[in-house]
Amino acid sequence: DAGVTQSPTHLIKTRGQQVTLRCSPISGHKSVSWYQQVLGQGPQFIFQYYEKEERGRGNFPDRFSARQFPNYSSELNVNALLLGDSALYLCASSRPDRGLTFYEQYFGPGTRLTVT
Amino acid sequence: DQQVKQNSPSLSVQEGRISILNCDYTNSMFDYFLWYKKYPAEGPTFLISISSIKDKNEDGRFTVFLNKSAKHLSLHIVPSQPGDSAVYFCAAFEDYGSGNTGKLIFGQGTTLQVKP
Repeated sequence: DAGVTQSPTHLIKTRGQQVTLRCSPISGHKSVSWYQQVLGQGPQFIFQYYEKEERGRGNFPDRFSARQFPNYSSELNVNALLLGDSALYLCASSRPDRGLTFYEQYFGPGTRLTVT
Repeated sequence: DQQVKQNSPSLSVQEGRISILNCDYTNSMFDYFLWYKKYPAEGPTFLISISSIKDKNEDGRFTVFLNKSAKHLSLHIVPSQPGDSAVYFCAAFEDYGSGNTGKLIFGQGTTLQVKP
């Protein structure tokens, strides 16, 4: 089975621009979570979507938004980019409906965003 | 305040020996813990998990130990191989209280180097 896929792999944007990142979960996984990882730190939670509804939101400004589509893929949007938004953006999929392993999340390769 | 801490930024071991990576947490409400391995320019790869009803979980060369009273978990890799050289993250699952959804809270990571 294919794992979590993300696009694009790399992205360079200018301050003030907007960006959209995309994620397709593992087949059968109905939940997608987004994380931001900056160098030297662990991933930080941004959003979780399950069955197309937002279930959780991390401590990120309103410039960050996301949505989940009927096929369970997801987009993360960031408006008015700042230099500090430069990071690796990770998408993870999971199956909250799956018995004992509902909490396990599987990550994609990430999108490296550079803001100049 | 960091709820999940990996106090050792790096660890170096000889091939064939045991690698022990440690993790501490502060929230006694955490019931599920996970370990991930991350290579540069890739997303985190899920290794092994444990729920708080257990004190040990084993999968091949990887064993995770959980000491709830000490709020401490560790990952043992035996025997260590050069291909195990990577950054290792521990994470705790924090649920939202409904529907088995929740977020992962990560430590800062420990860089493991296994020398041939």
